[in-house]
Amino acid sequence: KAGVTQTPRYLIKTRGQQVTLSCSPISGHRSVSWYQQTPGQGLQFLFEYFSETQRNKGNFPGRFSGRQFSNSRSEMNVSTLELGDSALYLCASSLAVREIFPYEQYFGPGTRLTVT
Amino acid sequence: ELKVEQNPLFLSMQEGKNYTIYCNYSTTSDRLYWYRQDPGKSLESLFVLLSNGAVKQEGRLMASLDTKARLSTLHITAAVHDLSATYFCAVDRRQGGSEKLVFGKGTKLTVNP
Repeated sequence: KAGVTQTPRYLIKTRGQQVTLSCSPISGHRSVSWYQQTPGQGLQFLFEYFSETQRNKGNFPGRFSGRQFSNSRSEMNVSTLELGDSALYLCASSLAVREIFPYEQYFGPGTRLTVT
Repeated sequence: ELKVEQNPLFLSMQEGKNYTIYCNYSTTSDRLYWYRQDPGKSLESLFVLLSNGAVKQEGRLMASLDTKARLSTLHITAAVHDLSATYFCAVDRRQGGSEKLVFGKGTKLTVNP
């Protein structure tokens, strides 16, 4: 069974630009969550999508947005990039069937974004 | 607001020794996760602990959960170099049918020969 895939793996952007990151969940998984990892703030939750709907959002500015498609693939977008947006962005997918299975999130390899 | 604290944040140990990493969390939760991260890599799931008193073991790692004390421990037995990595605990926070993980800062473990 293929794991969670993220593209691109590495990205270099300039301040003020925008970026779109993509995540393909494990087949059959309907929930996709995004996390930002930085040395200073650690791992922080960005948002979670389930059946094309954003169910939960972390404390990030409106420049961070996302969406999910009918095939459960998800994209996140960051507009007007700032230097502080440099981070590893991790996507995780899960079955999101809490009552039957442990709600275990499987993480992708991440996209390393560098903003210069 | 749910807070998750790990200690120590840095741990340097010799091969063959035992040690414990602690994870405290501030509000009630019924699921706790341990992940491993190697440098430049993603998170690898180690354990999912679902209930009070849960204990899980895999190789030289053993995790336990005390929901009353809001404490989980990750015990390392007879450490080997391959265990060098950063270990994160995470607690789920259920909101409106959705769940998100709140992570500790991580414990960077270095096992020296």
